[in-house]
Formats: sequence, structure tokens, C-alpha cells
Amino acid sequence: NAGVMQNPRHLVRRRGQEARLRCSPMKGHSHVYWYRQLPEEGLKFMVYLQKENIIDESGMPKERFSAEFPKEGPSILRIQQVVRGDSAAYFCASSPTSGDSEFNTQYFGPGTRLTVL
Amino acid sequence: AQSVTQPDIHITVSEGASLELRCNYSYGATPYLFWYVQSPGQGLQLLLKYFSGDTLVQGIKGFEAEFKRSQSSFNLRKPSVHWSDAAEYFCAVGVASGGGADGLTFGKGTHLIIQP
Repeated sequence: NAGVMQNPRHLVRRRGQEARLRCSPMKGHSHVYWYRQLPEEGLKFMVYLQKENIIDESGMPKERFSAEFPKEGPSILRIQQVVRGDSAAYFCASSPTSGDSEFNTQYFGPGTRLTVL
Repeated sequence: AQSVTQPDIHITVSEGASLELRCNYSYGATPYLFWYVQSPGQGLQLLLKYFSGDTLVQGIKGFEAEFKRSQSSFNLRKPSVHWSDAAEYFCAVGVASGGGADGLTFGKGTHLIIQP
């Protein structure tokens, strides 16, 4: 059973460009979470999605950031007009559906390291 | 809102010695508690978790943690560390609502250094 997959692993963008980060959850998982890890800080929750629905986006910056989890395909975290302060590691996690004994356990991907020049 | 405190930013332990990493949480009810480990440049690996029941939980790699409600703590322990345990350790708290679990709240991490 493959784990959570994220790509690309490393992404370099110039200021003002767009960054797209992809996350494929573990097989059988329908809940996806995105976190950001900034230097000298811990991990901060950004957004929680289920298929075609944003459940909780309380941790998302109000501008330039968006996330989706379509019916088919991976979850996408999109950052428009990137700035140097967006440089960070972005992690995706997934968990099973409710009713599964593991439903509140999140498994993490390897992360995407975004560098903004 | 819940919060997590890991009071030790760095801990240095000799190989073969015992280890205890501290974690305190703040939450009105009993949360779900987790310990994750992160090696440099890698993702987070789940070590163990506590939901309910027995307050002493066993995890992978010989780690265990004890939930103490009276102290709002969930400290991680290992009787004998190995050089490969050098990494960053994160304590996290989660709650469940609706049909799924909310985003986790993480502590700032403890960097574990192993001396030969």
C-alpha cells in the first residue's frame, strides 16, 4: 500500500509566479490535510478537504492561496504570485473515512520544498 | 483552541541512555494525542497515538508514551536510544468533529542529538 505521495519534492519559483503542489492520499483515504512548515516554526495547519469539499480552511492565508480535492485526481495546493515569505516545506496528510478505526489518524507525505527566488 | 508545548528545543542523550521528551497540551476535553518523528529533509512518520483506554501506549521503534490527564501531559520515552533516533520529534493534538478529524495542532518540536 503506497503511502501519501507528493510532487514535486522540490519546487523553485521566482517572485510573482504560481506554484502548484500536488498530493495523492493513501489508498482508501478520502480526507486530505495541508500543512506548512516555516523555518524555526512548527507545522501549521492550513486546510482540510474531502472529495470536492473544503471542510476547514481556517489556517489558509486569505489571499493568493487556494486548495482543491477534485472527484478524480490529486489534491492541489495553489499559490498565486508567490513571495519570498512563501518559501517553506508544504506537507500533505491523509486519513481514512469516518467509521474506520483509524479515521482520526493522519499519515504524512514527504513534503514539497518550495523556494521562492 | 488547543495548544501544544514542547519545552525542550534541544536534547542531547548518549547512545544507550534512556530518553524522555516532554509534551504538554491545553484542551478542554480529552484530545487525540500523537507523536511524530521527522528526519532531515523528510516527511513525518507516526510513532504512536493515544485516543482512549490504556494510558500507556506502545509505538514503533521501541518508543512509548504515557497520557497523564492530571498533568495534561503526553511524554515520549525510550529505554535505550540508538544513533538512528537522532531527529526532530513533534507532539500533536487533534480533535474529531463532524464526519472527520480536524487539523492537528503541533508543538514546535524537540531536536534530539545522540552522542556516541
